[in-house]
Amino acid sequence: QSALTQPASVSGSPGQSITISCTGTSSDVGGYNYVSWYQQYPGKAPKLMISDVSNRPSGVSNRFSGSKSGNTASLTISGLQAEDEADYYCSSYTRSSTPWLFGGGTKLTVL
Amino acid sequence: EVQLVESGGGLVQPGGSLRLSCVASGFTFSTYWMTWVRQAPGKGLEWVANIKEDGSEKHYADSVKGRITVSRDNARNSVYLQMNSLRGEDTAVYYCVRHINWSFDSWGQGTLVTVSS
Repeated sequence: QSALTQPASVSGSPGQSITISCTGTSSDVGGYNYVSWYQQYPGKAPKLMISDVSNRPSGVSNRFSGSKSGNTASLTISGLQAEDEADYYCSSYTRSSTPWLFGGGTKLTVL
Repeated sequence: EVQLVESGGGLVQPGGSLRLSCVASGFTFSTYWMTWVRQAPGKGLEWVANIKEDGSEKHYADSVKGRITVSRDNARNSVYLQMNSLRGEDTAVYYCVRHINWSFDSWGQGTLVTVSS
């Protein structure tokens, strides 16, 4: 089972908005509203930022939002801040022999 | 505060075995699925295995099926990962993760497993 497809890198300037895409198939991203997003700083454990496509856990900034269209989910970060510079991973449930998939990760650089 | 503390990582030769442990605190452990996720050095996240609240249901990634077994002891608030026939591609940081609904909401700090001769 292949990983979900994410861009390797995205960048933006402070204050701008960026969007990270996560493309799968109708067997995973497109078939379920079970997409989540994780932020990971170097050497640290990942942190849940978005669950169930668009739900923001308590304590996560409202600058982070999620959406989905067809087989592609997206994470949008508005009002970029230096502290947002990190790696971001999407994940989805899938009806395959390996029930959970992660994306390959996207490195966000704040210019 | 939810805490997950992994242990048991280390250097092991190819073909060898290792047992990882994770002790949970700060929540009612017996009411949550638990998951193991790994990350090879410089690479992305890979889901490895999960186990139902009472241990009656387990699922594995194709890449580890037949070589890795997940188990839990709710009396000890602990989840385990028994890894056999280890290969170089199993080298990774292994994270213990609490599974809530359809996402992974709490992560341990990870334990490094290195498979090398």
